[in-house]
Amino acid sequence: DVMMTQSPLSLPVTLGQPASISCRSSQSLVHSDGNTYLNWFQQRPGQSPRRLIYKVSNRDSGVPDRFSGSGSGTDFTLKISRVEAEDFGVYYCMQGSHWPVTFGPGTKVDFK
Amino acid sequence: EVQLVESGGGLVQPGRSLRLSCTTSGFTFGDYALSWVRQAPGKGLDWVGYIRSKAYGGTAEYAASVKGRFTISRDDSKSIAYLQMNSLKTEDTAVYYCTRDDASMLKYWGQGTLVTVSS
Repeated sequence: DVMMTQSPLSLPVTLGQPASISCRSSQSLVHSDGNTYLNWFQQRPGQSPRRLIYKVSNRDSGVPDRFSGSGSGTDFTLKISRVEAEDFGVYYCMQGSHWPVTFGPGTKVDFK
Repeated sequence: EVQLVESGGGLVQPGRSLRLSCTTSGFTFGDYALSWVRQAPGKGLDWVGYIRSKAYGGTAEYAASVKGRFTISRDDSKSIAYLQMNSLKTEDTAVYYCTRDDASMLKYWGQGTLVTVSS
């Protein structure tokens, strides 16, 4: 199975400042079809997860443009350009390039 | 509007069975693959399985932890997906989410249904 790791696991942030979460996979996420199926999710307390980014860098509709995804191969990053109060919660990366689908352990974003 | 509503959760004893349903609306159900994802209390997300649309064979994939015990099926005429869970273990206790793909996996999520496996 592809192991997904995230760092940091806890991220205290200051409103208005940037934030960054790293996600690494144990093997390349380039699929045989040429796509890289690396997605990012946000989960606020008591809510279902919400997909933010799909295939590394594509922002889902309705997702603020302060969220961006980048990376390739085995190293990926989710960036928030300026953190807002509604951004607290847990962020997960997920790979869908290889069966079984696997998630990272999650990064808890809270406020300093 | 795409909607997925899970139902069928509850308290069940170890070794027993339970069937979850995912009732959908707002899209052509038969055109899409669906996944089940679970989340144990206070823990992270754990992928359970996936079922392809009939156009891609309607076959399923499973996590190793549930393979042979869980079965995903779909009824395109009713726009409902099912998760049949047999030989339940205490470690299967979780909120179970139904999800639908869009451009990539797990775009739309239901609200989840809690399954508690305990004697």
